[in-house]
Amino acid sequence: DVVMTQTPVSLSLAIGQPASISCKSSQSLVHSDGKTYLSWILQRPGQSPKRLIYLVSKLDSGVPDRFSGSGSETEFTLKISRVEAEDLGVYYCWQATHFPLTFGSGTKLEIK
Amino acid sequence: EVQLVESGGGLVQPGRSLKLSCLASGFTFSNYGMNWIRQAPGKGLEWVASISSSSSYIYYADTVKGRFTISRDNAKNTLYLQMTSLRSEDTALYYCARSAYWGQGTLVTVSS
Repeated sequence: DVVMTQTPVSLSLAIGQPASISCKSSQSLVHSDGKTYLSWILQRPGQSPKRLIYLVSKLDSGVPDRFSGSGSETEFTLKISRVEAEDLGVYYCWQATHFPLTFGSGTKLEIK
Repeated sequence: EVQLVESGGGLVQPGRSLKLSCLASGFTFSNYGMNWIRQAPGKGLEWVASISSSSSYIYYADTVKGRFTISRDNAKNTLYLQMTSLRSEDTALYYCARSAYWGQGTLVTVSS
């Protein structure tokens, strides 16, 4: 199984500060079709998860452009250029290249 | 608007069965693979099962293989998860998900 190692476990940031979350996979996430099925998901308190980014760096519709995703093969990063209050919650990386599909353990973003 | 509405959760005794449903709307259900993902109380996300658009491909997490069955009825726009031999560790909020879209979840509690 692909192990997704996500760091840090938690972040406490003031509004306007940048954020960076790392996700490392135990094997390459490049699919045989050439695509890399790595997504980032945000789960706000008491809500269902919401996908923010797919295929490493593509923003979902309606996601602010202060979010960005990057990386390749086994190392990936989610960045928020300037944290806003609505960004609080738990961020998960998720790979859908290999079955079983696996998630990172989550990064909790708190607003100072 | 894409909507995924899960139902069928509840309190069930260990060893018993339960069938979850997910009614999809706002998109052509028969064109998309679907997933069940669960979240134990206070824990992270765990993938449970996936099914391709025509049911040709089905995958399960090892933790549920042989006990759970994913299926779909494209005529009814509905995804199912038949759960048997339930265990306390199956207690979780079960989400139906299609790529960027997640339902609100249905809670399954396995307890005597």
